Amino acid sequence: DIQLTQSPSFLSASVGDRVTITCRASQGISSYLAWYQQKPGKAPKLLIYAASTLQSGVPSRFSGSGSGTEFTLTISSLQPEDFATYYCQQLNSYPITFGQGTRLEIK
Amino acid sequence: EVQLVETGGGLIQPGGSLRLSCAASGFTVSSNYMSWVRQAPGKGLEWVSVIYSGGSTYYADSVKGRFTISRDNSKNTLYLQMNSLRAEDTAVYYCARGTSFFLWGQGTLVTVSS
Repeated sequence: DIQLTQSPSFLSASVGDRVTITCRASQGISSYLAWYQQKPGKAPKLLIYAASTLQSGVPSRFSGSGSGTEFTLTISSLQPEDFATYYCQQLNSYPITFGQGTRLEIK
Repeated sequence: EVQLVETGGGLIQPGGSLRLSCAASGFTVSSNYMSWVRQAPGKGLEWVSVIYSGGSTYYADSVKGRFTISRDNSKNTLYLQMNSLRAEDTAVYYCARGTSFFLWGQGTLVTVSS
């Protein structure tokens, strides 16, 4: 199985900050990576697919990059509604796996 | 409106069975890649199963042989039949649409406990 390791697991930041979350795969997954945002009690929301393609309706302050084994999600200027938990997901092979999550909290 | 609505969750004893439903509106389930994902209380996301438009299915090792994904085209509904349930199957179960899961339902809670 392909393991995804996100770092950091917890991040404290302020409104307006630029933040980056990293996702490392245990083996190469080309660009078969997606990023999700989840708020408490809600379903996850797709932000980025194919490593760097912004899902329709997602603000442009979100961006993704990477290929192979290392990927990043960047939020260019944090807004109050961005404080949530973020997950990466690989779709290169079965079983589909998720990272353990990065909880982004207000400093 | 394009949406997914899961039903069928509840409290079930270990060893029991439950069938979850995911009713779709605004699109055709049988033309899409549809998945089930679960989230144990306070934990991360775990992929459970997928069914392709052509009918092929895949499962996580943790549920293989116990869970079955299927669909009813006439009802435009996705299902997850869960047998031999264990305490560790306790989770919110979500259905999702697409190769990247771009549409999710609201989830249904399954609690396996005596």
